[in-house]
Amino acid sequence: DIQMTQSPSSLSASVGDRVTITCRASQGINTYLAWFQQKPGKAPKSLIYAASSLQSVVPSRFSGSGSGTDFTLTISNLQPEDFATYYCQQYKTYPLTFGGGTKLEIK
Amino acid sequence: QLVESGGDLVQPGGSLRLSCAASGFTFSDHYMDWVRQAPGKGLEWVGRIRNKANSYTTEYAASVRGRFTISRDDSRNSLFLQMNSLRTEDTAVYYCARASSYSGGWDFDFWGQGTLVTASS
Repeated sequence: DIQMTQSPSSLSASVGDRVTITCRASQGINTYLAWFQQKPGKAPKSLIYAASSLQSVVPSRFSGSGSGTDFTLTISNLQPEDFATYYCQQYKTYPLTFGGGTKLEIK
Repeated sequence: QLVESGGDLVQPGGSLRLSCAASGFTFSDHYMDWVRQAPGKGLEWVGRIRNKANSYTTEYAASVRGRFTISRDDSRNSLFLQMNSLRTEDTAVYYCARASSYSGGWDFDFWGQGTLVTASS
């Protein structure tokens, strides 16, 4: 199975900040990497697919990059609604696997 | 829209069938998945069913293979998860998710709101 490792596991930031979350795959996955946002008690929301392509209606302050084994999710100009938990997920190989999550909290 | 139903309290060893009703898109074009989340934990993929063009074939996580079965009825725009021999560790919110192919792979682009399954005596 491909292991997905996210860092950090938690992060404190302020409105207006720029933050970066990293995701590392245990083997190469090309760009078959997605990012999701989840707020407490809510379903996940798809943000990014193919490592860097934004899903429709996702604000442009979200961006993704990377290929192979190392990926990043960057959120510029943090807004109050961005404080949530973020997950990466590989979809190159079965079983599909998620990272452990990064909880983004307000400083 | 994706709307799950069927979650309930069930005894270990019991069975349960979840449903996911789809609307607003061409259900038959998409792969469909189940993903679960145990209380306070992260996301865990459960399994997938491909579309008719790919013969409705299925994939499962090792933790549920042989106990859970995914099916679909394109005429009713519905996805199902039959869960047998339930264990306490199957307790989770179960989400159905739509998968689309924009980039060569099939990634989740839309999720239901989830339904809670509790396996406990």
